[in-house]
Amino acid sequence: AQSVTQLGSHVSVSEGALVLLRCNYSSSVPPYLFWYVQYPNQGLQLLLKYTSAATLVKGINGFEAEFKKSETSFHLTKPSAHMSDAAEYFCAVQSGGSYIPTFGRGTSLIVHP
Amino acid sequence: NAGVMQNPRHLVRRRGQEARLRCSPMKGHSHVYWYRQLPEEGLKFMVYLQKENIIDESGMPKERFSAEFPKEGPSILRIQQVVRGDSAAYFCASSPADRGNHEQYFGPGTRLTVT
Repeated sequence: AQSVTQLGSHVSVSEGALVLLRCNYSSSVPPYLFWYVQYPNQGLQLLLKYTSAATLVKGINGFEAEFKKSETSFHLTKPSAHMSDAAEYFCAVQSGGSYIPTFGRGTSLIVHP
Repeated sequence: NAGVMQNPRHLVRRRGQEARLRCSPMKGHSHVYWYRQLPEEGLKFMVYLQKENIIDESGMPKERFSAEFPKEGPSILRIQQVVRGDSAAYFCASSPADRGNHEQYFGPGTRLTVT
């Protein structure tokens, strides 16, 4: 069984501040982990993915995430928020051998000028 | 290289009518997935198809919903006798057959409104 918990349905930061979006997962086997971003009225776009290579994964738009097995976490960070980062962010887990990812409920990132 | 295409982008149906949602996967992709998204919720898996085969429909409601991915043409998600609770955004995703990391590419979605 696999599941994802995203802590905080809304995160608000000032432009230029650190972005931290939290994701904890549960998986019975080593997982694949993903972060997607969704802009209003659009589909999901892959930001980055962990597939058992390096534990620190760099993605697009300056985002990165670190896989911590001991904490079963895959938190998403960005050193300096930009107004254009305002969107909905989804964490997803997919157990090896499964074709079906499980998505978290999403975190809405709000960026203040 | 066109991405995943979905049409229509917006669909309005009265209760009791049928809704047909279409999805054309990325070129070279033979796996299609349908998801439903309700307001302030994540994506819920509905069905996974390959050409002419339903692989996993564990997320599909037992009645009124069906999906197909014919040998030629787009994948179709069909909802018969729609009810207000069917109002949601429906997303299609595709993936290539030989990718070990199962990355999915999403379309822009169809927003269904049942009046």
